[in-house]
Amino acid sequence: DTEVTQTPKHLVMGMTNKKSLKCEQHMGHRAMYWYKQKAKKPPELMFVYSYEKLSINESVPSRFSPECPNSSLLNLHLHALQPEDSALYLCASSHLAGGPGQETQYFGPGTRLLVL
Amino acid sequence: AQSVTQPDIHITVSEGASLELRCNYSYGATPYLFWYVQSPGQGLQLLLKYFSGDTLVQGIKGFEAEFKRSQSSFNLRKPSVHWSDAAEYFCAVGAGTGNQFYFGTGTSLTVIP
Repeated sequence: DTEVTQTPKHLVMGMTNKKSLKCEQHMGHRAMYWYKQKAKKPPELMFVYSYEKLSINESVPSRFSPECPNSSLLNLHLHALQPEDSALYLCASSHLAGGPGQETQYFGPGTRLLVL
Repeated sequence: AQSVTQPDIHITVSEGASLELRCNYSYGATPYLFWYVQSPGQGLQLLLKYFSGDTLVQGIKGFEAEFKRSQSSFNLRKPSVHWSDAAEYFCAVGAGTGNQFYFGTGTSLTVIP
């Protein structure tokens, strides 16, 4: 099973709202990722968690706050977002057994976020 | 620095015709290469990957890709395209710390009847 699930599928929020995106995998992967994808563009890496610890933060604004409560779950907390943050947010996971770049990333279906 | 180039932004092919999507990479060490496909509004689905060994790799949905180190290329091919293959295709190289992926800009495929 190579499934990564994401909820909700769609989310509309105002600029003063607080919301959270959820990602889950049960493949025993110990790396999890958040990406942001604008239309017709490749995914942009936001955060990487390795063994439930934040290992990469690609200079993402603090209005995005990731959390990894356990090895199967990854959250992205959203607060005071801007309209330009509207995008598809993708979660991915992978093993960490190999060396750099060796591990295949498996992606979820994404959450389509609209900020009004 | 690592980078991936997909020279073709958009390709249109007739159903039943052959397809080749180009991917060139820049990476100092042995690259780990991937092709993903993304249907509108969906996540990325892995088509195939190359780590080592046979330079011609087979993937799902009848796709294959050939790794050519001398040309720094990893082109994706399919002998006969189906209408359902219309999607965005991304080439990626895995490298660096934290298992980072470097994606190409993508190629949008349109299939005409």
